[in-house]
Amino acid sequence: GAGVSQTPSNKVTEKGKYVELRCDPISGHTALYWYRQSLGQGPEFLIYFQGTGAADDSGLPNDRFFAVRPEGSVSTLKIQRTERGDSAVYLCASSTGGHSYEQYFGPGTRLTVT
Amino acid sequence: SQQGEEDPQALSIQEGENATMNCSYKTSINNLQWYRQNSGRGLVHLILIRSNEREKHSGRLRVTLDTSKKSSSLLITASRAADTASYFCATVLGYSSASKIIFGSGTRLSIRP
Repeated sequence: GAGVSQTPSNKVTEKGKYVELRCDPISGHTALYWYRQSLGQGPEFLIYFQGTGAADDSGLPNDRFFAVRPEGSVSTLKIQRTERGDSAVYLCASSTGGHSYEQYFGPGTRLTVT
Repeated sequence: SQQGEEDPQALSIQEGENATMNCSYKTSINNLQWYRQNSGRGLVHLILIRSNEREKHSGRLRVTLDTSKKSSSLLITASRAADTASYFCATVLGYSSASKIIFGSGTRLSIRP
């Protein structure tokens, strides 16, 4: 079956604009994660969904960041009023359960804010 | 501050040699996971080791966990050029819905032909 997919693969936007990043998890995976990765660093946890609800959103850096998963499958990460510091690769992962299960990562969306 | 820190930050070895990477953490964990990331790609899960386990094997990979020292090691035996990648440990703290997962900053492994 298909793995985790993310769209777009690259996004260039101007400072102050709004962006949406999409994640299609593996079918049937109840858990979905968003991470942000800067060059030379490990993934930084942003938010974790179990089904439709955000079980842990403690990693979202501020209220400009928001994520939804309305039907428990596809998720969208939304960033308002983008800043240059938001530039990073945004990774999505899904798993069959919570943190004690292996995560399957997508290829990421590279966001560049100019 | 990071929960899990890998060392070394970078490692270069000859093909065929063994590679050892270490991960240290600060607080008690539920489990610890190792992932590999090839340049420009997503992460791939390698091994999960639970807090009550001491060693796990998968092919050429061997992971140990020492909870008294709060450290884990990943050993890759008989390295190949395709093993060139960054390797990350992820520590899982707590249980059920209150658990947290934290990735370290990784070890960049280069295999020289």
